[in-house]
Amino acid sequence: DAKTTQPNSMESNEEEPVHLPCNHSTISGTDYIHWYRQLPSQGPEYVIHGLTSNVNNRMASLAIAEDRKSSTLILHRATLRDAAVYYCILRLPTSGSARQLTFGSGTQLTVLP
Amino acid sequence: KAGVTQTPRYLIKTRGQQVTLSCSPISGHRSVSWYQQTPGQGLQFLFEYFSETQRNKGNFPGRFSGRQFSNSRSEMNVSTLELGDSALYLCASSSTSNNEKLFFGSGTQLSVL
Repeated sequence: DAKTTQPNSMESNEEEPVHLPCNHSTISGTDYIHWYRQLPSQGPEYVIHGLTSNVNNRMASLAIAEDRKSSTLILHRATLRDAAVYYCILRLPTSGSARQLTFGSGTQLTVLP
Repeated sequence: KAGVTQTPRYLIKTRGQQVTLSCSPISGHRSVSWYQQTPGQGLQFLFEYFSETQRNKGNFPGRFSGRQFSNSRSEMNVSTLELGDSALYLCASSSTSNNEKLFFGSGTQLSVL
């Protein structure tokens, strides 16, 4: 799997937007970009994924660079409940393939009240 | 819809013993995968089962094994426990559609003394 690079930690103030970056310079043309987050004492939780175009859902937005070598997860208004480790992961889209995720070390997001 | 259920939540064993962990996937999900999470190594893929067949396996010794039943429930077994097996073991389920997201349980925290 292609490798991703994320900052170890970031801080944000409550109710402000948060931009979590991810570099994936070796991404292949068929890799999807997935984001998961892990809250304390819980398993990882799916956040969002995309291929080329920017994506929005109720949790977050995903902005993908035109060359696809980087992406940014955007939390529009951080809350204390968003404090978690955020993982950026590349996945092949092959139907029927193993559901294997290769997790990096992720970004620990701290939200300050 | 009920989420992924893992039992037990906590487990304490001694070196040399064996342990069996259980995972009930979301209803209708046929793929179950297992991950080990430790502070030093992070989240690492163990194996994945689909329709009672192991489809992919991570880089773990043969002491780690698993199986899946016809109702998609899965168990993983670790024999001859070592201190280094102390970890959070996470199970994830997914449906069969292409590039679908994974749903994780809260995990089983295993402590080996």
